Amino acid sequence: AQKITQTQPGMFVQEKEAVTLDCTYDTSDPSYGLFWYKQPSSGEMIFLIYQGSYDQQNATEGRYSLNFQKARKSANLVISASQLGDSAMYFCAMREGGSNDMRFGAGTRLTVKP
Amino acid sequence: DGGITQSPKYLFRKEGQNVTLSCEQNLNHDAMYWYRQDPGQGLRLIYYSQIVNDFQKGDIAEGYSVSREKKESFPLTVTSAQKNPTAFYLCASSSDRSGSYEQYFGPGTRLTVT
Repeated sequence: AQKITQTQPGMFVQEKEAVTLDCTYDTSDPSYGLFWYKQPSSGEMIFLIYQGSYDQQNATEGRYSLNFQKARKSANLVISASQLGDSAMYFCAMREGGSNDMRFGAGTRLTVKP
Repeated sequence: DGGITQSPKYLFRKEGQNVTLSCEQNLNHDAMYWYRQDPGQGLRLIYYSQIVNDFQKGDIAEGYSVSREKKESFPLTVTSAQKNPTAFYLCASSSDRSGSYEQYFGPGTRLTVT
């Protein structure tokens, strides 16, 4: 069964600094996709970044990058130059193979300090 | 603009009553999903549907029912059999055309049952 682990319930970062949010996963399927979502206090889930298991390079989207270490089964999210608006819950998720079924971790609450 | 709508944003019901949460998408996505989120926790899959007139149970389907009569609509009924229905409910959709299958989420419905 799929399993997503986010070990940091809460993280603090100073504005303009970089922060890494941890995510490890467990799957026996060689084909899978990894996702990060942001959930502000309003509740909506905002898609940030995607990494496929066969992708050779780490995914990047603006200030977001995914540190993908396949052998360690980790997919950490790196946010560079943190902004106050980055304060939110962040969820790591995984989808196996051709399945549309996606499983989410418990989330990390990020607080950016001015 | 394309997107997912959920209505209403807040819903209050008395214990013992069934209640139906609306989810509509105009993204032409084949797959749709319902998740439940409890305070401070991640998302748990209730039901998902990959095509019209077909749906599968997720991890916590007991006490819930769904229908998928149209591609655009995937309503969720919270029945009186659901023991702890008070939660935040999120609807999502995805398309296999993107290749990454990222899910797009609606704004959510916060259900309170007293």
